[in-house]
Amino acid sequence: QVQLQESGPGLVRPSDTLSLTCTVSGGSINGYYWSWIRQSGGRGLQWMGRIYSSGTTHYNPALSSRLTLSADTSKNQLSLTLSSATAADTAVYYCARMGATKVEDSWTGLRHDFWGHGTLVTVSS
Amino acid sequence: EIVLTQSPGTLSLSPGERATLSCRASQSITAGYLAWYQQKPGQAPRLLIYSASSRATGIPDRFSGSGSGADFTLTISRLEPEDFAVYYCQLFGSSPLFTFGPGTKVDVK
Repeated sequence: QVQLQESGPGLVRPSDTLSLTCTVSGGSINGYYWSWIRQSGGRGLQWMGRIYSSGTTHYNPALSSRLTLSADTSKNQLSLTLSSATAADTAVYYCARMGATKVEDSWTGLRHDFWGHGTLVTVSS
Repeated sequence: EIVLTQSPGTLSLSPGERATLSCRASQSITAGYLAWYQQKPGQAPRLLIYSASSRATGIPDRFSGSGSGADFTLTISRLEPEDFAVYYCQLFGSSPLFTFGPGTKVDVK
């Protein structure tokens, strides 16, 4: 059973960079896309971006100027950095594995089938 | 950007009753790109349904999904005590790649 665990500082100062790590156990990160999703009372669930094990990334345009995702296959870890943090970035941050079903030459059933427990990050001075 | 709307915002029902939750997209979407999640307080979302109607591994058959075009439904045939939670629909789209609906809370009447 794949397990994901987010880790990082629970408190970040405004204008600083928010950095989180997601450690994957019970399976390899190779061959999958991995998403970061955050949840706050004000904005519900927001997909931030995804990274393939090879390093290919896709970002939410709303965050793309501040967001960087990376993957370390040797450590089976994923990382997120979000620069210039503000109070609006206060949220629970989740990492999740993206699953899909191949039908002939296309992919369908795009979903997030395994999630971490989430980590609360508060941006405050 | 395609917007997802969920209704009702809150559904108050008793155990044993049938729950019908709606997810409506702002335009017609591919059913294969619609998923449903359940979230309980303090927990991460849990995948229930993908491709609009396929149950995820380990999900009881009282959960079913249906729909096409822009209108999709999650049905819980008989509510169990552990089913009282918030339910979200999710779309794989173009930009951003994934969007979530605002959620429907199913609480005890």
